[in-house]
Amino acid sequence: SQKIEQNSEALNIQEGKTATLTCNYTNYSPAYLQWYRQDPGRGPVFLLLIRENEKEKRKERLKVTFDTTLKQSLFHITASQPADSATYLCALHTSGTYKYIFGTGTRLKVLA
Amino acid sequence: NAGVTQTPKFRVLKTGQSMTLLCAQDMNHEYMYWYRQDPGMGLRLIHYSVGEGTTAKGEVPDGYNVSRLKKQNFLLGLESAAPSQTSVYFCASSNGLANYNEQFFGPGTRLTVL
Repeated sequence: SQKIEQNSEALNIQEGKTATLTCNYTNYSPAYLQWYRQDPGRGPVFLLLIRENEKEKRKERLKVTFDTTLKQSLFHITASQPADSATYLCALHTSGTYKYIFGTGTRLKVLA
Repeated sequence: NAGVTQTPKFRVLKTGQSMTLLCAQDMNHEYMYWYRQDPGMGLRLIHYSVGEGTTAKGEVPDGYNVSRLKKQNFLLGLESAAPSQTSVYFCASSNGLANYNEQFFGPGTRLTVL
């Protein structure tokens, strides 16, 4: 069956370190993958999109990689700050459809 | 721009009652979506629309109906609420220029069915 897996355990990291979050998928052939940030009590906010033919995408302190062989995307936050504490969601999009399938999210806590 | 707005923000229903959740967007987006978010389940797509007057089923459509009579509005209806529909509901919209474009989410509606 199709599945998207993100670390269900919360990730605690010290301020200033690089946080790495994982999104693994099975039985999908996504053309695009997005990452969103969600704060408690709020809707998700878009961060980055990466296409299947792109290996890496960067935006300020954020970096996303996409390995279609491993069926995995990694999301990195460098020089992490307490304000980066939130839940991060990955979402897969398959060509020919109008919808995304979301992972369950990973809660990140950056300790001061 | 207000972006995506949802009303109401909170609602408590008794089993069997009906209600309509309203989503409005002022970005002239073609695509609109309704999701529910439950602990440990992530966001699951209920219904979506790719343009005014169109609707389609998502992953978990049972027990819900939708309508898109105006481009800027997307309504989600529960005809006979059940406790299993207790959840946080999010509406989202995206630009129709590319079907992989980012989604803009509303603030959510927290629904409890007793």
